[in-house]
Amino acid sequence: RKEVEQDPGPFNVPEGATVAFNCTYSNSASQSFFWYRQDCRKEPKLLMSVYSSGNEDGRFTAQLNRASQYISLLIRDSKLSDSATYLCVVNKERGSTLGRLYFGRGTQLTVWP
Amino acid sequence: DAGVIQSPRHEVTEMGQEVTLRCKPISGHDYLFWYRQTMMRGLELLIYFNNNVPIDDSGMPEDRFSAKMPNASFSTLKIQPSEPRDSAVYFCASSHGGLSDTQYFGPGTRLTVL
Repeated sequence: RKEVEQDPGPFNVPEGATVAFNCTYSNSASQSFFWYRQDCRKEPKLLMSVYSSGNEDGRFTAQLNRASQYISLLIRDSKLSDSATYLCVVNKERGSTLGRLYFGRGTQLTVWP
Repeated sequence: DAGVIQSPRHEVTEMGQEVTLRCKPISGHDYLFWYRQTMMRGLELLIYFNNNVPIDDSGMPEDRFSAKMPNASFSTLKIQPSEPRDSAVYFCASSHGGLSDTQYFGPGTRLTVL
């Protein structure tokens, strides 16, 4: 089983739509969770960290469900500029090391006018 | 402020040749990461350093790959000899607070091995 799994999509939605992505992780001891955004042929950039209580940043809401080991990202009022690949990232703690980051394969989103 | 700098941006080489990728992290960041991204495998962490010391190299695919960080402002990833299956985009990233902190990625080096 992969450490982090995402639905690759693609998700094609009209402007203004609400879209949600889910991500599951395999290690219950994972401690840190993130969503990164990657535009075509560009480098990944942090979109937001994911906290246990859930967090919101403008149109973006991230939630963590430790019991079910999944993370979600909700985008409201989609903009054309939201078109990108969204990467789910999990820090797997391991013994006394600093852990290890695992990236999901990404979910591709296209917002059309 | 300058972000993470990588060179070259593109590299085309023939199988068997040595390839050296370079990275300059953001000043003040004490963690440096090397990643590889392919369509088949996505983004994979190869190795990371803390204060110039390699912490976890378990992602390095095989002995043909080696990475060094001689000082806080420079790191290299070397492939010798290169093979066509090494073709990928290689990213370098740096952070201030390790794995729990934001990682800032460089623009990547697109490597093609013929």
